[in-house]
Amino acid sequence: AQKITQTQPGMFVQEKEAVTLDCTYDTSDPSYGLFWYKQPSSGEMIFLIYQGSYDQQNATEGRYSLNFQKARKSANLVISASQLGDSAMYFCAMREGLNQGGKLIFGQGTELSVKP
Amino acid sequence: KAGVTQTPRYLIKTRGQQVTLSCSPISGHRSVSWYQQTPGQGLQFLFEYFSETQRNKGNFPGRFSGRQFSNSRSEMNVSTLELGDSALYLCASSLDHLSSYNSPLHFGNGTRLTVT
Repeated sequence: AQKITQTQPGMFVQEKEAVTLDCTYDTSDPSYGLFWYKQPSSGEMIFLIYQGSYDQQNATEGRYSLNFQKARKSANLVISASQLGDSAMYFCAMREGLNQGGKLIFGQGTELSVKP
Repeated sequence: KAGVTQTPRYLIKTRGQQVTLSCSPISGHRSVSWYQQTPGQGLQFLFEYFSETQRNKGNFPGRFSGRQFSNSRSEMNVSTLELGDSALYLCASSLDHLSSYNSPLHFGNGTRLTVT
């Protein structure tokens, strides 16, 4: 079974509008972290935002916010006021449990295109 | 602070050859992880090194190996290359292999390997 599922292979959004990228996860470990990364065509993975399983509040980082619904096992990324530079692949990832250090499990990604 | 540096950016090799990729982590980071990214399989964890020791390993054949030096720089080696090894290889660093589940990985730009 997929541990991280991103159901939107591609999405379009108009510049200056908000967009939500979906992510659902599957784990039985009570301690986990959820991450969102942006990958432009250059290839580098850029860390955007993080949500911990014990965090009570949804994470926010500038124009990025994470809509964390623990019971539904979803961690959707919301980008407000989209910019042309937001066009990229977006990956949701999970670190299961403690002491997993460098091992993240990634979803298949969503390609976001921002239209002028 | 310099980011994660991967060299070379591009490589073209022939089936049966071997290849070595290099990664220099962020200064002060002692854990290095490697990922393979392909269109079909997405991002997959290869292995993680800390203190010159492999701490975690993904589900890849023994042709994929790595090592870490005392200055935390890491190399990964792929022997007897196959066409399916064509991929973007990403290196990521973090402070240590026991990073709490909320610390993100910091990725380099990747090495794009093409096997012909």
